[in-house]
Amino acid sequence: DTGVSQDPRHKITKRGQNVTFRCDPISEHNRLYWYRQTLGQGPEFLTYFQNEAQLEKSRLLSDRFSAERPKGSFSTLEIQRTEQGDSAMYLCASRPGWESNEKLFFGSGTQLSVL
Amino acid sequence: DQQVKQNSPSLSVQEGRISILNCDYTNSMFDYFLWYKKYPAEGPTFLISISSIKDKNEDGRFTVFLNKSAKHLSLHIVPSQPGDSAVYFCAASAPYKLSFGAGTTVTVRA
Repeated sequence: DTGVSQDPRHKITKRGQNVTFRCDPISEHNRLYWYRQTLGQGPEFLTYFQNEAQLEKSRLLSDRFSAERPKGSFSTLEIQRTEQGDSAMYLCASRPGWESNEKLFFGSGTQLSVL
Repeated sequence: DQQVKQNSPSLSVQEGRISILNCDYTNSMFDYFLWYKKYPAEGPTFLISISSIKDKNEDGRFTVFLNKSAKHLSLHIVPSQPGDSAVYFCAASAPYKLSFGAGTTVTVRA
C-alpha cells in the first residue's frame, strides 16, 4: 500500500530562484490537493485537481505559483522568483472521488527554505 | 478569514488521563469534520471524522463530539499514551476541500 509520495523532502534555495516540487498521489485517487503550512499554523489550501483539471486556486496562489497535473496522475508545483515568505512546508494530498467523507491522505511534504 | 479555530495552542496531560481538544467553526455549511495528527517532519495523518448529521463518533480510544448549535467539536483521547504526543489539527469540509485550524500540541507526561 503505497501512500502519497513527495519529492524532494527538503529544498533550500536562494531568493529569486525557481523551484519545482513533485507529488505522486495514491494510484486510484483522482483528486489531488496542494496545501501550504507555516510554523504555528494549520495547512492552508492552495489548489485542487480532479483528474487533470485544476478546479480551484486559492487567492494565496499568486502568479508566481503554478501547478499542473498533465495526465491526471502525478502533479508538480512550481514557484518562480522565490521570496523569503515562500518558506513553508508544501503538502500534497489525495483522495478518491467516490467517497463522501472528505478524508485526505497526505504526503510527508516538501520543506522549502528560501535564503 | 479563519473559519476553523483551535484556541488552545498546547495541552499537557498525564499518561492514562483524558485529553480533551476543542475546536470552533464559523461556517454553518461545513458538512464533515475531521481530526488529524501530525508528528514533526511528517504529513498529517487522519485520526477520526464525524458527519454533520451525527453528534458522536467513537474509534477505540478516540471519540469526537459535535455540537452543531454551538458550532463546536471536541476530541477525547482516553487513556492518553506517550505516543499520542503530537500536534492535532481540526479540519472542516465545505464541498471538496478542507479548512484547518492552527493545531494543538499535545504532550503526554509519564
